Amino acid sequence: ETGVTQTPRHLVMGMTNKKSLKCEQHLGHNAMYWYKQSAKKPLELMFVYNFKEQTENNSVPSRFSPECPNSSHLFLHLHTLQPEDSALYLCASSQEGTGTEAFFGQGTRLTVV
Amino acid sequence: SQQGEEDPQALSIQEGENATMNCSYKTSINNLQWYRQNSGRGLVHLILIRSNEREKHSGRLRVTLDTSKKSSSLLITASRAADTASYFCATDSYKLSFGAGTTVTVRA
Repeated sequence: ETGVTQTPRHLVMGMTNKKSLKCEQHLGHNAMYWYKQSAKKPLELMFVYNFKEQTENNSVPSRFSPECPNSSHLFLHLHTLQPEDSALYLCASSQEGTGTEAFFGQGTRLTVV
Repeated sequence: SQQGEEDPQALSIQEGENATMNCSYKTSINNLQWYRQNSGRGLVHLILIRSNEREKHSGRLRVTLDTSKKSSSLLITASRAADTASYFCATDSYKLSFGAGTTVTVRA
């Protein structure tokens, strides 16, 4: 266990569905991240939140909508996804500004049908 | 955008042998980190080397950093079947940027 918990672990959704991914950390970190991992590709940084404020949005389509209600919780709301959005979605947290490592959750394996 | 690039993409070795993988990057960094990922799971941090360090050890892991060549290497000595995983380098400038990883298979 890394201290970062993601739910659900697996999700299958249709293109017209709306679902949410949840991430929770109780490490006292001030930064949380969403990454997308597709087969044979580098991890793609999607969003960064620092002290609940979004500091980075890497040209992510609007069908992905992040929410950070507090420094311990991060959500990724999904709607009208495409099959190419099927991937492993990883949440991570770190203490920004200290140059230390990131702690990752186990990921949510998303399949869009 | 991708910063680190690992080489080779895949590596297959016999148990007991050493595994070496390399990472090249493009811009200046604060530190470079190596992570491990078992199939379909989250990434686990292995080791961090700062830009003013040249070599670091942790158990069977040895990491080198050459900032003049913008490259790093990860050596796993006396490999075990349990070392089978994907290994990623991540460069830390103002954010962590990962490469596509090296998939290591250790044959028993």
